[in-house]
Amino acid sequence: GAVVSQHPSRVICKSGTSVKIECRSLDFQATTMFWYRQFPKQSLMLMATSNEGSKATYEQGVEKDKFLINHASLTLSTLTVTSAHPEDSSFYICSARPRADTEAFFGQGTRLTVV
Amino acid sequence: AQSVTQLGSHVSVSEGALVLLRCNYSSSVPPYLFWYVQYPNQGLQLLLKYTTGATLVKGINGFEAEFKKSETSFHLTKPSAHMSDAAEYFCAVSDLGYSSASKIIFGSGTRLSIRP
Repeated sequence: GAVVSQHPSRVICKSGTSVKIECRSLDFQATTMFWYRQFPKQSLMLMATSNEGSKATYEQGVEKDKFLINHASLTLSTLTVTSAHPEDSSFYICSARPRADTEAFFGQGTRLTVV
Repeated sequence: AQSVTQLGSHVSVSEGALVLLRCNYSSSVPPYLFWYVQYPNQGLQLLLKYTTGATLVKGINGFEAEFKKSETSFHLTKPSAHMSDAAEYFCAVSDLGYSSASKIIFGSGTRLSIRP
């Protein structure tokens, strides 16, 4: 099956610093990638949708300047949490979709802790 | 607009008993429906999906779900629960295929516990 690799799986950073999370589709080209945030014992909240070579589309309420998304190639998307604060601590999950009419495949998630 | 409602944030069943996790959806176009499972601190694994065709869908690990348009439901079942089934389950809906901007919207999740 299709594999999506997310790195790192865990990261701890100091308040005020930035952290980058990578999402790679290993065996397929992803025209679209999605970034989700998941709070403890809650569902996945879609943060943004990114298509290769174009700007990400952010969901309402998601700060574009804080959560920078880059989809530079058909196999890589990155999420950068800028000037992180403790309230940004969460589980971030990416997913990648080969085409609009296919399912999306999920990465293993990144546990971000801001101290 | 699309939405998903999962009834019951927590379901507990005995090992060997029937598992039933409920999901109702709302969609302005014929939906694509999914069930995912999530183990602690991990991503999501697809259990099964409905796109078109047969309304009874069989997935991995003995799970199946039936698409009922008249009831706007897509409940997940498994005849006999196993301890390894304990996890968080998410129902999701998408207008996949209708637009390159289509998204997958998740329900709030149901935590399944299995009693020995």
